[in-house]
Amino acid sequence: GAVVSQHPSRVICKSGTSVKIECRSLDFQATTMFWYRQFPKKSLMLMATSNEGSKATYEQGVEKDKFLINHASLTLSTLTVTSAHPEDSSFYICSASPQEGLNTEAFFGQGTRLTVV
Amino acid sequence: GEDVEQSLFLSVREGDSSVINCTYTDSSSTYLYWYKQEPGAGLQLLTYIFSNMDMKQDQRLTVLLNKKDKHLSLRIADTQTGDSAIYFCAESRYSSASKIIFGSGTRLSIRP
Repeated sequence: GAVVSQHPSRVICKSGTSVKIECRSLDFQATTMFWYRQFPKKSLMLMATSNEGSKATYEQGVEKDKFLINHASLTLSTLTVTSAHPEDSSFYICSASPQEGLNTEAFFGQGTRLTVV
Repeated sequence: GEDVEQSLFLSVREGDSSVINCTYTDSSSTYLYWYKQEPGAGLQLLTYIFSNMDMKQDQRLTVLLNKKDKHLSLRIADTQTGDSAIYFCAESRYSSASKIIFGSGTRLSIRP
């Protein structure tokens, strides 16, 4: 199946710094990618929809200035957590689909565990 | 609104069948999914079912959908230790290329 790669898989950063997480589709082009956040022992919450060449669409309650999304190419979307605080510590995971339409499968990255100290 | 609910834990004996249940509220859900997440790993799509289907079987996995009650279940036959994971029920209105709403996940543990 198609491969989605996230980098880094783990990151520890100090409060107040910014962290960039990359999501790459390795063997297909994705006009749309999705970013999720998973709290401990909780479900995955959709944060935003990343659209190549245009602004991301954020879900209600997600601060767009806090979580900057850039979808610069058909194979790369980045999520930057700006001025990170301990409450931003979480597991972030992205997904991408090869194409729009029916019978498509979303492929998930392996996730990034962010710890803010 | 959109809401997908599942029980948090399930413990079964090795070799028995596991049944994980899920309820959803969005009547316009078109696709219903079951994902598996192993510790420290991403998500693996196990199976999905269209809302116009009642049942889908794939080897040890059987998905049952009661659209009237908005109830979805996943049955794993002959549960093995490798089945230990968190299982997420999810739904979307169109295709997986669209917005997917996840349940809270059910942690399946296998006892000898």
